[in-house]
Amino acid sequence: EPEVTQTPSHQVTQMGQEVILRCVPISNHLYFYWYRQILGQKVEFLVSFYNNEISEKSEIFDDQFSVERPDGSNFTLKIRSTKLEDSAMYFCASSDRPNQPQHFGDGTRLSIL
Amino acid sequence: AQSVTQPDIHITVSEGASLELRCNYSYGATPYLFWYVQSPGQGLQLLLKYFSGDTLVQGIKGFEAEFKRSQSSFNLRKPSVHWSDAAEYFCALILTGGGNKLTFGTGTQLKVEL
Repeated sequence: EPEVTQTPSHQVTQMGQEVILRCVPISNHLYFYWYRQILGQKVEFLVSFYNNEISEKSEIFDDQFSVERPDGSNFTLKIRSTKLEDSAMYFCASSDRPNQPQHFGDGTRLSIL
Repeated sequence: AQSVTQPDIHITVSEGASLELRCNYSYGATPYLFWYVQSPGQGLQLLLKYFSGDTLVQGIKGFEAEFKRSQSSFNLRKPSVHWSDAAEYFCALILTGGGNKLTFGTGTQLKVEL
């Protein structure tokens, strides 16, 4: 079964540094998402992306965050200047149509020191 | 704003026993509803979904869920739990009529005693 793959599985970064989290969505999917889960808390929506544009973003997704589809297969989340509170598990997801089930990757655990 | 409530943070059941995980939602209309499972160190796997029609939906791994509009609930059930079902279970919704974002509940951690 096709999978969403995320790299790296664990990223450790100094506060203030830029970090890029990478995702390869399922190949025929057109809708892409990022979510995060702070330890012990619920999974929270960050952003959705379709047709090379952000469709929707949450209050969490401020100017420090950006997303990009640099080529036909990758989907990235960049945090420009990381803060301690950015430490979380970040999940990428994709779906083939709107409102359809989203398929998740295994996540990237981001630790900010 | 819409919300999802999973009232049970932890549940422990014996292997072979039946299971019901509760989920309630708050939204003015009927949303699209989902159950996901997360095993340690892994991502979220879709168990089942409800869009419309038959209120009892079947999913993978022997799970089913029943949508009850009058109670704004979408409880997950399994008649006989296996030790491998130990994981965290998340109920989630997508609003009908716009937007694709999933809104998750806080999750229920299931422990299975052998």
